[in-house]
Amino acid sequence: NAGVTQTPKFQVLKTGQSMTLQCAQDMNHEYMSWYRQDPGMGLRLIHYSVGAGITDQGEVPNGYNVSRSTTEDFPLRLLSAAPSQTSVYFCASRGNRGTNTGELFFGEGSRLTVL
Amino acid sequence: AQSVTQLGSHVSVSEGALVLLRCNYSSSVPPYLFWYVQYPNQGLQLLLKYTSAATLVKGINGFEAEFKKSETSFHLTKPSAHMSDAAEYFCAVRAGGGSEKLVFGKGTKLTVNP
Repeated sequence: NAGVTQTPKFQVLKTGQSMTLQCAQDMNHEYMSWYRQDPGMGLRLIHYSVGAGITDQGEVPNGYNVSRSTTEDFPLRLLSAAPSQTSVYFCASRGNRGTNTGELFFGEGSRLTVL
Repeated sequence: AQSVTQLGSHVSVSEGALVLLRCNYSSSVPPYLFWYVQYPNQGLQLLLKYTSAATLVKGINGFEAEFKKSETSFHLTKPSAHMSDAAEYFCAVRAGGGSEKLVFGKGTKLTVNP
């Protein structure tokens, strides 16, 4: 039972480079989301999705793109990385509407450094 | 919009002492409230949740929290701290009424001294 799987776990980028953080879940969850965690800031919501083909912005969406072509996958794209995007990124998913209790299941995180 | 305030970014207790981590929330509709724990270099895992059933909620590892609507609080307690409780704790709120967003507090780092 894999749960939520994030790749890569570590990544170093140069300013201006692009990359995609991958997130996959095998729990048939409709809701998926991306958070970034910075010291003293807690977790801040970047983007979320309530199902395939549906995405919406969270608190800090600028500089990030997402898409949701399948239920299982929710990649996060950085088109032109900036040092301010140095952070730990968490993907999280939640059970389906009508049965979910609101509990989020988290991946182990992806640590990104932008030089 | 919903928000969460955690009082104290660092809390230090002795092993065997009471743990009290404070959380106040703001929500325009009856909320769902959660406490998550994060051990070093790991993701977050759920400790307990309030979803409008009992106001006193028991979670894993001996933790519990009480929902107090009049005080808009959801403080986390444990009667006797163990060394293994050292971690960062996050309070989170999800507004009811079908809201999808979960908003986290800034976290409280708990240190347990021998």
